[in-house]
Amino acid sequence: GQQLNQSPQSMFIQEGEDVSMNCTSSSIFNTWLWYKQDPGEGPVLLIALYKAGELTSNGRLTAQFGITRKDSFLNISASIPSDVGIYFCAGRSYGNQFYFGTGTSLTVIP
Amino acid sequence: NAGVTQTPKFQVLKTGQSMTLQCAQDMNHEYMSWYRQDPGMGLRLIHYSVGAGITDQGEVPNGYNVSRSTTEDFPLRLLSAAPSQTSVYFCASRWFGGEQYFGPGTRLTVT
Repeated sequence: GQQLNQSPQSMFIQEGEDVSMNCTSSSIFNTWLWYKQDPGEGPVLLIALYKAGELTSNGRLTAQFGITRKDSFLNISASIPSDVGIYFCAGRSYGNQFYFGTGTSLTVIP
Repeated sequence: NAGVTQTPKFQVLKTGQSMTLQCAQDMNHEYMSWYRQDPGMGLRLIHYSVGAGITDQGEVPNGYNVSRSTTEDFPLRLLSAAPSQTSVYFCASRWFGGEQYFGPGTRLTVT
């Protein structure tokens, strides 16, 4: 099955810094989703994007649906300790199947 | 709404044992899916269902069985557990064309 390329794999940042991560695919998608997973928990949906070029915010989080439909970006501004976790992307194909990235592990140093 | 619920949260099995992982959702979603999550890999689809009475295989179906007798429930059965099935299992549900919502996961160890 297709796996999405997500980078970076891990990030160690100081509290207050901004964070950027991205996800790329070899196929085009009609939807991009970003999830956060805390240790021992299930993934929680952060942002959903439905249209190429779309830019959507959720508090300090901003995500964009790439123009090519093959990529998406997630930015976190002014990071705080509770941002720690694993972030991963998901794309939905035109065949209505979901594919997932391998995740970006974020550590915020106070 | 409770959303997607899964039981048990943790399970240890011996090789060859069988068990059923339970999943339920109260959002009246048509689609339900089972994924496994292993270190360094993205979520991999085991089986999915597009409605009561309809199931299909995903990417890694071997060793697992599912059924969907109601809209709400989608149990996953391990027929004869193997160490390679040690993983974290997530159930998810959604509307057709909607976003996936995940349960809290079942952490399974097979010794």
